[in-house]
Amino acid sequence: SQTIHQWPATLVQPVGSPLSLECTVEGTSNPNLYWYRQAAGRGLQLLFYSVGIGQISSEVPQNLSASRPQDRQFILSSKKLLLSDSGFYLCAWKTGFGEAFFGQGTRLTVV
Amino acid sequence: QKEVEQNSGPLSVPEGAIASLNCTYSDRGSQSFFWYRQYSGKSPELIMFIYSNGDKEDGRFTAQLNKASQYVSLLIRDSQPSDSATYLCAVNLGVILTGGGNKLTFGTGTQLKVEL
Repeated sequence: SQTIHQWPATLVQPVGSPLSLECTVEGTSNPNLYWYRQAAGRGLQLLFYSVGIGQISSEVPQNLSASRPQDRQFILSSKKLLLSDSGFYLCAWKTGFGEAFFGQGTRLTVV
Repeated sequence: QKEVEQNSGPLSVPEGAIASLNCTYSDRGSQSFFWYRQYSGKSPELIMFIYSNGDKEDGRFTAQLNKASQYVSLLIRDSQPSDSATYLCAVNLGVILTGGGNKLTFGTGTQLKVEL
């Protein structure tokens, strides 16, 4: 069966510091991978998605970037965090039928 | 108009009652519809999906889809305190993402409280 791992679970970072969140998927090959952000009391916002190694598409312009160095690895990064980057970050993979499965999430607080 | 709309709640129902959660969507080209449950501080988990008009039942859960009215709902029978969570409606819009695949868009969720 497919599993998705995401870490760390919780992160507190100062404004201006860099960020790297990692997500890996097991049990499937060439998955479509997604990064979502959920701000407090708000819905899930699609940030980036990837259909293959090195292929990244951005949904919204922002302070973040994403990379996919390996088939089952998806990384979310920032060079300098802003207060507005705080939120709950979720990595997901999507099946051919369209349903998405999520990792455990990373709660990021920028202070 | 939001692409996927839900009443934020909270919706309070007594234990054993039927909870009815509703969702509307704007894109008539939408193909597939999902309900996720999210406990506080946790990631969403898929509980139901529906592709065709009508009802789909899975245990205590029933999803209902009406494409003409652009409406999808989730009924939870015999509600339990463990059902207390936020329920997210998600829709694969007719929008095709660059590189393939439909855009999966989420509503803001309805908070359900099942009271003893």
